[in-house]
Amino acid sequence: ETGVTQTPRHLVMGMTNKKSLKCEQHLGHNAMYWYKQSAKKPLELMFVYNFKEQTENNSVPSRFSPECPNSSHLFLHLHTLQPEDSALYLCASSQVSGETQYFGPGTRLLVL
Amino acid sequence: AQSVTQLGSHVSVSEGALVLLRCNYSSSVPPYLFWYVQYPNQGLQLLLKYTSAATLVKGINGFEAEFKKSETSFHLTKPSAHMRDAAEYFCAVSETGAGNQFYFGTGTSLTVIP
Repeated sequence: ETGVTQTPRHLVMGMTNKKSLKCEQHLGHNAMYWYKQSAKKPLELMFVYNFKEQTENNSVPSRFSPECPNSSHLFLHLHTLQPEDSALYLCASSQVSGETQYFGPGTRLLVL
Repeated sequence: AQSVTQLGSHVSVSEGALVLLRCNYSSSVPPYLFWYVQYPNQGLQLLLKYTSAATLVKGINGFEAEFKKSETSFHLTKPSAHMRDAAEYFCAVSETGAGNQFYFGTGTSLTVIP
């Protein structure tokens, strides 16, 4: 498989559930990103990892917890989310931070 | 500080007509500039990018953009719109070189009228 993949593509969860989003890049990149895309709002950068180290955390609530075990994999652990967290969550990667980003197809999350 | 402004959150064109999507940026250093397209229920796909080479950049699907430093603009054009071009388009800027953040515009939704 090539490019950036994300699983699951769709997720419905209750506010008390714990779930994880997975992102995998097959491009040999060293930087990975999580974005949140809500309807009628700009793309929001959530987290940035460079060489497995977190370099950006844009005031994201602690109910979102990222994990980057290696340069190819990125997770977003979700716990006690709110309905307003419903959105499309996009993962991206680049050779290094600031270079061209390549996006996955996203996970459409619905919090009930 | 960098920023990107996309004028017009919605643009409608007739099939076969010129597509013009506007993007203006601010950057204190030479920028890298990008256009991405997002089709419904998909991620963002790179259309084209400017990285200080030729000012007129050609991308996929017949799109091109011209970097105009004097106008701080990077407008996206296509001579003849096709129905499949209907999508959301995002302009982005990054400072030259590695280690810097991308800044995305708010997006322009393109509708193509048959």
